[in-house]
Parts: sequence; C-alpha cells; structure tokens
Amino acid sequence: DAGVIQSPRHEVTEMGQEVTLRCKPISGHDYLFWYRQTMMRGLELLIYFNNNVPIDDSGMPEDRFSAKMPNASFSTLKIQPSEPRDSAVYFCASSGVWTPNTGELFFGEGSRLTVL
Amino acid sequence: DAKTTQPTSMDCAEGRAANLPCNHSTISGNEYVYWYRQIHSQGPQYIIHGLKNNETNEMASLIITEDRKSSTLILPHATLRDTAVYYCIVRVDSALGSARQLTFGSGTQLTVLP
Repeated sequence: DAGVIQSPRHEVTEMGQEVTLRCKPISGHDYLFWYRQTMMRGLELLIYFNNNVPIDDSGMPEDRFSAKMPNASFSTLKIQPSEPRDSAVYFCASSGVWTPNTGELFFGEGSRLTVL
Repeated sequence: DAKTTQPTSMDCAEGRAANLPCNHSTISGNEYVYWYRQIHSQGPQYIIHGLKNNETNEMASLIITEDRKSSTLILPHATLRDTAVYYCIVRVDSALGSARQLTFGSGTQLTVLP
C-alpha cells in the first residue's frame, strides 16, 4: 500500500497567489482529514470528509480556504488569495471503517507551504 | 473529548525503556486513549490505543491505571529513531462520523540519547 500521498511536498509562493494542495487517500478509506501544523498552534484540524461529503469544516480559518473531494481517491485544499500567515505544513490523513480494534488515522508526509 | 496533560520533554538513553506518562483525569467511560508520534518533518504515526486493559503491539505497550485517569506509553528498548514528539489523545471512538477526528495537544518531545 502506497499510503496517503500528498503533493506538492514543498511550495513557495508569493502573497496573493492561489495555492492548491492535493491528497490521495489510502484506497478503501472513507474518511479524509486536512490538518495544518504551525509552531504556534500545533496540529489543527481544518476539515474532514466522509464518503466524499464534507462533514465538519469549522476548523477552516476563513473564506480564503476551501476544500473539495470530487471522488474517493482525490481531495484538494485551496487557498485563494494566499497570505504569509498561511505558511505551515498541511497534512492529509485518511481512515477506514471503524471497528473496536481499528480506525486509526494514516497521515501523509505533508505539504510545506511558504508564502512570501 | 477529555483533556490530556503530558510533560513537555523527556530524555532516554538508547537501549533503555522509555516511559511516557499522560494524565487524563476527566476521561469518560466510553473514551479511548490513543498514542501517536511525529518524527521530525514527517506526518504523525499511530502507535497504540486502549480502553481500560493494558495493550501491547510490536511498537509499544500501553499501561492504563485502574481508575483510567492516567496512562503510560512504554517503548521497551528505545533507539535513536524513536526520537519524536509523542501525543496522548483521549476521544470517544465509534462509527459515528463526529468521533473520527483527532485533537492533538502539545505532546512530549522524547529525545533518545546515544
């Protein structure tokens, strides 16, 4: 299994530009999560999907952020326009069907975003 | 989800057991204790979880006190590659969608020394 795949691994952009981060969850997993990590705030949940439907987006910081999951194997997190304070590592994670002995989250390697 | 308290940092000698404590005094009867770790520049990695019985897998052991108000993650023979931030997370675990997310605290920075 290839695990959760994120791209790009590193992105450097200028303030005001649009940024799109991509995630491919583990095949068969029906939950997908987007997290953001900064030194100041640690790991924060932004949004999560179940069966491609957004369930909770209360962690999305503002309207500049949007996330989609057009199918079970692909999700995007878009920032438009980007600002320097959006600089962070963005993680995608997926999870399969829950049972009492399974259900852990599998994380990708993250996308490091730097907005100048 | 119940709040957890962990020491900010710990050191451990290579080859010795690393014992990482976690307090969760407000834990409810249906909340599980989860442990994840994050090695520098990587995504968090699941280690182990339990409800009230002690658990062991190929990575670690989890000891939960009888009153469930605290737990200890044990890495039996720490190696340099175990240097990471370790997160203790308490949450309700069920098939309900609202229970699937994880809320990460600050964790414990474990440094394994040669």
